[in-house]
Parts: sequence; structure tokens; C-alpha cells
Amino acid sequence: GEDVEQSLFLSVREGDSSVINCTYTDSSSTYLYWYKQEPGAGLQLLTYIFSNMDMKQDQRLTVLLNKKDKHLSLRIADTQTGDSAIYFCAESPRSSYKLIFGSGTRLLVRP
Amino acid sequence: SQTIHQWPATLVQPVGSPLSLECTVEGTSNPNLYWYRQAAGRGLQLLFYSVGIGQISSEVPQNLSASRPQDRQFILSSKKLLLSDSGFYLCAWSATAPVVTEAFFGQGTRLTVV
Repeated sequence: GEDVEQSLFLSVREGDSSVINCTYTDSSSTYLYWYKQEPGAGLQLLTYIFSNMDMKQDQRLTVLLNKKDKHLSLRIADTQTGDSAIYFCAESPRSSYKLIFGSGTRLLVRP
Repeated sequence: SQTIHQWPATLVQPVGSPLSLECTVEGTSNPNLYWYRQAAGRGLQLLFYSVGIGQISSEVPQNLSASRPQDRQFILSSKKLLLSDSGFYLCAWSATAPVVTEAFFGQGTRLTVV
């Protein structure tokens, strides 16, 4: 089946690194995604990783993929107060046009 | 450029009343279209998706229905709202491709059923 799980809440101090974790179930997914949701708004794609990659770095963001354990993580370096938001992990199972989201992790950055 | 419009932004409806939320996409053809619901304190639940006019896939049996009368129009409806239908409804589109690469979301409709 299709299921994506995340921890619900993470609090970090400004300047520290944040690590948001996600587990997924469908090993056929070609891409795995991280989306960000600002308060009261829709979601925006932050980054995505192709399933044959282990790591992708994009400025302050690092995505790690462990296909064996079906584990995806998002690391935000030098976390800023503007990074406070809900972060969603998502997968798109092959042979389907569905985009399945996790429950979202609310990141709170303390000054 | 592509844009997605979703309205209204907020809605307060009594229990038992009908619902119609509309979403339109501009600047692209034959998009995949999605309706999600985000309940308070919960994640994003896929309700319906559509890969073409008149083609609707339902993910969760419930009090809602969806229709796609035109290529870039997606409508979420209910004949009689329940209290449990309250939530934040998001419409999204993605390009038609063998693999979904990115979904673009509208600003959402906050529905409160009273």
C-alpha cells in the first residue's frame, strides 16, 4: 500500500541544523519530494530526489535517501526563523499519477 | 506561465447545505488535477485526482464528489455537508507525464461547517 509517515513536530534554535525524517512504503516511486507550507497557504516544492540517487544538495538543503530502509530525510543547514513552516514528504508511485503526502512536520525555529 | 486559481478562500456553511469549490488552471493543457484536504492537526489527504476530462479517481469514500467538466476546471462538491467536512481544501495540478515531477498548489479554501 501507499503510506508516508513523518514525525509531527520539530523545534530548533536559529543557526542550528534541522533534520526532518520520513518513511515511505512504495518502493516503486521514481521521485520523492519535500514540500513546504507557509501558514494558511498552499504547498510549494522545495526539492526532490530521483530514486536512483542517495543524496542531493541544494544550497542549505540536503536530501538523503535510503532505499533499503525506505527512509528519506531533509537537512536544513543554518536554520532561520523564516524556515518555520510545515514540511511534507511525498511520493509518487510508478504507474500512477497520484502524489501521496505524509502528515507533515511542523518546524519551529526559536530565536 | 501557468497559474492555478482556487475559490473562495474561506467559506462558512451550515450542516446539510451543498458545497461547490472550483479550481481552474491557466497556461497548460491536459494537466493532472488533484483535490486534497488538510484537517486541523492532520496531514494532507488525497481526495480525488483526474488525468483527463470526465476521468475522476476517488481515493477515500466519503460525502464528497468531484467533476472535471473542462480540461482545466476541477470542481469539488457535496450535496449535504457534515461537520466532519470542515478543513482546508487544496487544489493542485501537475504536468501529464509518465512520472509526476512537481505539483503546483492553489492557495486553498478554508471550509468551516457549522
